[in-house]
Amino acid sequence: KNQVEQSPQSLIILEGKNCTLQCNYTVSPFSNLRWYKQDTGRGPVSLTIMTFSENTKSNGRYTATLDADTKQSSLHITASQLSDSASYICVVSARISGGYNKLIFGAGTRLAVHP
Amino acid sequence: SAVISQKPSRDICQRGTSLTIQCQVDSQVTMMFWYRQQPGQSLTLIATANQGSEATYESGFVIDKFPISRPNLTFSTLTVSNMSPEDSSIYLCSVDSDGIRSDGYTFGSGTRLTVV
Repeated sequence: KNQVEQSPQSLIILEGKNCTLQCNYTVSPFSNLRWYKQDTGRGPVSLTIMTFSENTKSNGRYTATLDADTKQSSLHITASQLSDSASYICVVSARISGGYNKLIFGAGTRLAVHP
Repeated sequence: SAVISQKPSRDICQRGTSLTIQCQVDSQVTMMFWYRQQPGQSLTLIATANQGSEATYESGFVIDKFPISRPNLTFSTLTVSNMSPEDSSIYLCSVDSDGIRSDGYTFGSGTRLTVV
């Protein structure tokens, strides 16, 4: 069964600190892995996308890693800001017939950055 | 990436009524997706909408409850019919301009529905 599990469920950190969010998946056939940021009441916004051959991708203060062998990914946030408070969702794409992808969503990690 | 305009952004509806949500994309896309996000949970795919054909619904979702229209390659609507409080959720549309490309899916800003 295709599954994406994220940890922790929630996290509180102080402004300026770093944090790392985890994503483990069992998805086959794997196409790519994406991290999204979702502010409360808004749609998810893409942060990074990685294919099988990529093991790290950065977007400003966000750095995602992918280990395709262990089927694990992480999202590292550097020098956190209050605006980083949001849910972070790991989404893994499974290739289905016709060349299209089916997205499997993790439950998300709810991050709160406190001053 | 594509830009999606979704409306309404929020609505409060009486039980038993219906609400139609619209998504307009600034470019032609083959597939559009409709998701539901219940409070505190992640996204669940409702259906996939291709232009010119019937939408494909995921397990647990039916056309009578969530009819979808896809009249052209830039527009789609989702109707939530005969609403009950359990339908209170955020509804989102999403597109991938080409399923084979590795670009990230783009999501609309969501419709926050409250059924009273």
